[in-house]
Amino acid sequence: RKEVEQDPGPFNVPEGATVAFNCTYSNSASQSFFWYRQDCRKEPKLLMSVYSSGNEDGRFTAQLNRASQYISLLIRDSKLSDSATYLCVVNMGSGGGADGLTFGKGTHLIIQP
Amino acid sequence: DVKVTQSSRYLVKRTGEKVFLECVQDMDHENMFWYRQDPGLGLRLIYFSYDVKMKEKGDIPEGYSVSREKKERFSLILESASTNQTSMYLCASSPRDWGYEQYFGPGTRLTVT
Repeated sequence: RKEVEQDPGPFNVPEGATVAFNCTYSNSASQSFFWYRQDCRKEPKLLMSVYSSGNEDGRFTAQLNRASQYISLLIRDSKLSDSATYLCVVNMGSGGGADGLTFGKGTHLIIQP
Repeated sequence: DVKVTQSSRYLVKRTGEKVFLECVQDMDHENMFWYRQDPGLGLRLIYFSYDVKMKEKGDIPEGYSVSREKKERFSLILESASTNQTSMYLCASSPRDWGYEQYFGPGTRLTVT
């Protein structure tokens, strides 16, 4: 069974702090990894792709650990506007992309003033 | 910019009614998807399509059908709406090649009374 697991939270974090959360996936053959952000009552939107070498976009850093089958998201200098649900998404498809994406249930982050 | 639009943001229907949810994308994407999202359950795939007139069942197809007569349009049909189909319905599209992210529409919040 395809599984993507996340801690649902909520993570309550003071503004300016650094926060990190992980996501584990079950299929060692997975090839593509993403973090999506979903605001309350809005659609999910791509935050960043996760590459084997890791990647950074401003205050956000994503890492992939294939050996332990998890990806992580680190947010530095957190802002009130970072409050959202963060969805871990993994492509577990065997080559055809249409059914390969598996979504985690999301981690709820609340940045407090 | 990729744009995925859905016919309604909010919809209220009665039990037993036939319900049509429409989704249109303007990026010439091959793949289109219908999900429902419920608190605590995350995103669950109902159906997807990787080409015109092609459709594949997702994880929870019971009570739903789909239609894809044109590449840009993917319709979700509730043959006889029931109260347990009250949910947020999200449409998404992506290019054929696996590994690409999905782009979501704004969602339709359906209430069945």
